[in-house]
Amino acid sequence: EAQVTQNPRYLITVTGKKLTVTCSQNMNHEYMSWYRQDPGLGLRQIYYSMNVEVTDKGDVPEGYKVSRKEKRNFPLILESPSPNQTSLYFCASSLNFGASHVDGYTFGSGTRLTVV
Amino acid sequence: ILNVEQSPQSLHVQEGDSTNFTCSFPSSNFYALHWYRWETAKSPEALFVMTLNGDEKKKGRISATLNTKEGYSYLYIKGSQPEDSATYLCAFPVRDNYGQNFVFGPGTRLSVLP
Repeated sequence: EAQVTQNPRYLITVTGKKLTVTCSQNMNHEYMSWYRQDPGLGLRQIYYSMNVEVTDKGDVPEGYKVSRKEKRNFPLILESPSPNQTSLYFCASSLNFGASHVDGYTFGSGTRLTVV
Repeated sequence: ILNVEQSPQSLHVQEGDSTNFTCSFPSSNFYALHWYRWETAKSPEALFVMTLNGDEKKKGRISATLNTKEGYSYLYIKGSQPEDSATYLCAFPVRDNYGQNFVFGPGTRLSVLP
C-alpha cells in the first residue's frame, strides 16, 4: 500500500531532551516536507526536501533540523525542544513538486507532540 | 507573505442540506489549486487538483469550481451527510526565490448534524 509512515503518533517530552520524528514513504517520491498545525493557523511548512541531500527551510524552521540521506526517509529532529514546539506535526510527500504543481501531497498520520 | 483565505471558518448544517464554501488565493502566478479533506484524528486526503480557469471537478456529491482571474474556488457539497463532517483545506503551490511550498488556507470546519 502506498503510504507515508510517521512515528510516533503521540509524544510527550521534557524541555531540552532531543527527539526525532521519523517519516518514511514507499512511493519513490522526490519531494518531502514537514508541517506543523496549530489552532487557528493553517499548516505551516517547517522544512522541505527536493531530493536526496537537498533540503531547505520553509516558513517556520527555527528549532528544527532535517536530513535526507535516502529518498524514502525524511526525519525531523528537535535538538532542544521547547514548549512552543508543542504542536501537531505532519510529514508529506509529493511525486515531483518541482516539475509539476498538480502532484498533491500524501500525508503521514501525524505526530502530536507535547513539550513540558 | 502570500495569503490563502477560506470562509467561513466553520459551518454547521443539517443532514440533507447542501452547502458551499470559498477559498481565495492570489490571482497572479497561478499554477494549480488543491483541495484536501481532513477528518478528525486522520491525515488530510487529496480531493481535487484544479488547474484551468473555469475548471469544474466532481467526486460523488462534492464538486469544486475555479476562477483564476478573480482568485477563488468554491467547494460544494450536495445533500450533506454526517460522514462529510471534516475540515476542508485548500492549498496553493508557490515557487519563488525562497523555495517551493504549498501555502495552505486555515480550513473550513464542516459539521453535519443528523
